Amino acid sequence: GENVEQHPSTLSVQEGDSAVIKCTYSDSASNYFPWYKQELGKGPQLIIDIRSNVGEKKDQRIAVTLNKTAKHFSLHITETQPEDSAVYFCAASMGNSGGSNYKLTFGKGTLLTVNP
Amino acid sequence: DAGITQSPRHKVTETGTPVTLRCHQTENHRYMYWYRQDPGHGLRLIHYSYGVKDTDKGEVSDGYSVSRSKTEDFLLTLESATSSQTSVYFCAIRPGLAAETQYFGPGTRLLVL
Repeated sequence: GENVEQHPSTLSVQEGDSAVIKCTYSDSASNYFPWYKQELGKGPQLIIDIRSNVGEKKDQRIAVTLNKTAKHFSLHITETQPEDSAVYFCAASMGNSGGSNYKLTFGKGTLLTVNP
Repeated sequence: DAGITQSPRHKVTETGTPVTLRCHQTENHRYMYWYRQDPGHGLRLIHYSYGVKDTDKGEVSDGYSVSRSKTEDFLLTLESATSSQTSVYFCAIRPGLAAETQYFGPGTRLLVL
């Protein structure tokens, strides 16, 4: 099955700096890559996603890049703010390939702390 | 939380007792999922459902069963709870037949003593 590795496990930045979180996946059949933000005591919330036919996607201060050849994708947050502090999860899906039935495989998460 | 509610939100129980967690959605989505979240493991799929009475196992299904008798409710049962099942449990829905995005509920924190 799919395996997703996420790094780093913790990241501390100063307010206004950029933050980058990286994930690698093992199965080249994966074609959908969402990112979730989880605040303390809450469920994960989708913040951005990318499909394998696209190399980069931006939404205001957040961007995701995908390198299919290297099988890795990254989340970039610019001009970080204290409210960006949370745990971030990457995930990968093979869609319905091989009976996968659109299941998501998650990375283990990155705790991002933005210091004022 | 995408119209998803989970109950109870917190539960403390003893080893060996049965426990049922409920996920309720208001949008008639066909696909529903149960995950557990543990430190150092991220989110792991327990079971999922692709319609009423249609369910399948995820990667960590041992010790869990599920039922879906109505579109809006997906129940997760721990037949005989163990301390290793202490975790935070999240329900998720997937809105579209060919859409991959999943949306999560607020979670249930379960402590098995």
